[in-house]
Amino acid sequence: NAGVTQTPKFQVLKTGQSMTLQCAQDMNHEYMSWYRQDPGMGLRLIHYSVGAGITDQGEVPNGYNVSRSTTEDFPLRLLSAAPSQTSVYFCASSYYKTGTNSPLHFGNGTRLTVT
Amino acid sequence: KNQVEQSPQSLIILEGKNCTLQCNYTVSPFSNLRWYKQDTGRGPVSLTIMTFSENTKSNGRYTATLDADTKQSSLHITASQLSDSASYICVVSGIYGNNRLAFGKGNQVVVIP
Repeated sequence: NAGVTQTPKFQVLKTGQSMTLQCAQDMNHEYMSWYRQDPGMGLRLIHYSVGAGITDQGEVPNGYNVSRSTTEDFPLRLLSAAPSQTSVYFCASSYYKTGTNSPLHFGNGTRLTVT
Repeated sequence: KNQVEQSPQSLIILEGKNCTLQCNYTVSPFSNLRWYKQDTGRGPVSLTIMTFSENTKSNGRYTATLDADTKQSSLHITASQLSDSASYICVVSGIYGNNRLAFGKGNQVVVIP
């Protein structure tokens, strides 16, 4: 049971380049989400999904796209990288049922630098 | 406006000593409060989850308390170990659950021998 797996661990991009951050979970969780973590700030939600084919925007969605074609995978796409997107990105998953307290399971992050 | 405030921002403690971390929140209505531990270079790991009806919950040497009336929580670490060096993040859930969690900035704890 690997939990939540993120690839790559590190990435350097030039301004304007595009890339996809991969996230996969093997816990059959309905809910998956992407966060960014910046120094001196709490984690901020980028996009989330409550099941295959269903996605929605979080707090800071601009510049990012997501899709959810399977329960296991939830990739995050940077359309045209900007230095402001330099951050550590975390994917998280959980069970999803109204009224339950489901802890998030986080991957170990992708550290992205945009020059 | 940050809905979750944690204090102290950072602290250094001697191995074997106890420490207490504080979390104040303004999220309303309230559903549950969570504490996560984040080791350097790793993702956060869940320690405890408490609903408004729970006053205390333990996970090994970690004990969390919750006062939903004053909107305060604390995380107590007993007999600290070097492996407790980490950031401890307080997270509050309102009515939207995992779709709209409020994250604190974390308490950075360094345990020295």
